[in-house]
Amino acid sequence: DGGITQSPKYLFRKEGQNVTLSCEQNLNHDAMYWYRQDPGQGLRLIYYSQIVNDFQKGDIAEGYSVSREKKESFPLTVTSAQKNPTAFYLCASSIGLRGARTYEQYFGPGTRLTVT
Amino acid sequence: DAKTTQPTSMDCAEGRAANLPCNHSTISGNEYVYWYRQIHSQGPQYIIHGLKNNETNEMASLIITEDRKSSTLILPHATLRDTAVYYCIVRARTGNQFYFGTGTSLTVIP
Repeated sequence: DGGITQSPKYLFRKEGQNVTLSCEQNLNHDAMYWYRQDPGQGLRLIYYSQIVNDFQKGDIAEGYSVSREKKESFPLTVTSAQKNPTAFYLCASSIGLRGARTYEQYFGPGTRLTVT
Repeated sequence: DAKTTQPTSMDCAEGRAANLPCNHSTISGNEYVYWYRQIHSQGPQYIIHGLKNNETNEMASLIITEDRKSSTLILPHATLRDTAVYYCIVRARTGNQFYFGTGTSLTVIP
């Protein structure tokens, strides 16, 4: 059963702690993405990776870090430097960049992070 | 990157066609139009995409105007489960990022 998994669905942390959100895909996709969504808002791109061992900052990368050591996995760490970490975090993947064509992205179920 | 403009919210009667408009007047020639939807507290779901021809799949139809400055997503027979936020997205010129705006909140009414 192919797809994208994110765990856990709900996560609670104390302010000042780093926290890592998991994202795994078994779709054999090259590209993976992390988005953040705040209540009533659209999605904002945090980081993306088009290939293993490479990633680029999105629009709101400050206070976040990622790694891409395996094709299947793209974990996101929310550091204590992120000033407003409470949000809904979405991971996505796509086949990747193939010339001028952009392939659709498939999203995981999301992780709702609450920092108090 | 081309921006999109969508109405904030729309209602549709159950069983009727839902027509969701999107303006993308600055779209470039090689940019695709994508539609996604997001049901509350879930990840967005891909619906359909197109370049300049009209497209249809099992979920919806996409009508793109000849000048490509606007498009309409059509859900032919809306059900209560189609209640969601619908995003119209134009692909970025570089890389393969997708820029999601605030979308249209569609409510299907019984």
